Amino acid sequence: AQKITQTQPGMFVQEKEAVTLDCTYDTSDPSYGLFWYKQPSSGEMIFLIYQGSYDQQNATEGRYSLNFQKARKSANLVISASQLGDSAMYFCAMREGYQKVTFGIGTKLQVIP
Amino acid sequence: GAVVSQHPSRVICKSGTSVKIECRSLDFQATTMFWYRQFPKQSLMLMATSNEGSKATYEQGVEKDKFLINHASLTLSTLTVTSAHPEDSSFYICSALRGAAETQYFGPGTRLLVL
Repeated sequence: AQKITQTQPGMFVQEKEAVTLDCTYDTSDPSYGLFWYKQPSSGEMIFLIYQGSYDQQNATEGRYSLNFQKARKSANLVISASQLGDSAMYFCAMREGYQKVTFGIGTKLQVIP
Repeated sequence: GAVVSQHPSRVICKSGTSVKIECRSLDFQATTMFWYRQFPKQSLMLMATSNEGSKATYEQGVEKDKFLINHASLTLSTLTVTSAHPEDSSFYICSALRGAAETQYFGPGTRLLVL
């Protein structure tokens, strides 16, 4: 079974609108971390946000917030006030305990002017 | 955020030659670094985990004799693709582990083209 599932291969959003990128995960480890990364066409992987499994509050970083629903095992990324520069691939990832990080297949986001 | 550099950013080589890629954490020490490979329009595939001062841990299916990893210091890990072949052409990206949250910070990647 896939550990990280991103079901949206591509998404469009109007500039200045908010967009939610879906991510569900599968683990039996009580201690895990969830990450979102952005990969523009240049190829670099840019860290956006982190959520620990024991964190009580949803993580936020500027325009990025992580909608963490533990019971549903979902960790959706919300980007508010989309900008043209947000167009990129977005990867959800999970670290279980002290193990390696597993990445989802990504979602391609395109922001429309 | 943390800074990780990678060199070279692009390399073209002839089949049969070896290529070395460097990954450096510039503003923090990283006892653990990771090497990934990414094919076009696909996700990152972990190749190996590099621990400072010890042998790398390779993922299943990754040839350790072909992809040599050395993590000689807390800020430098190298990946050497030995006897490269066209099928080794790919985007190689490293990351370094930092902080209590153990967030991975990635280098900018190296595009390898083997002719």
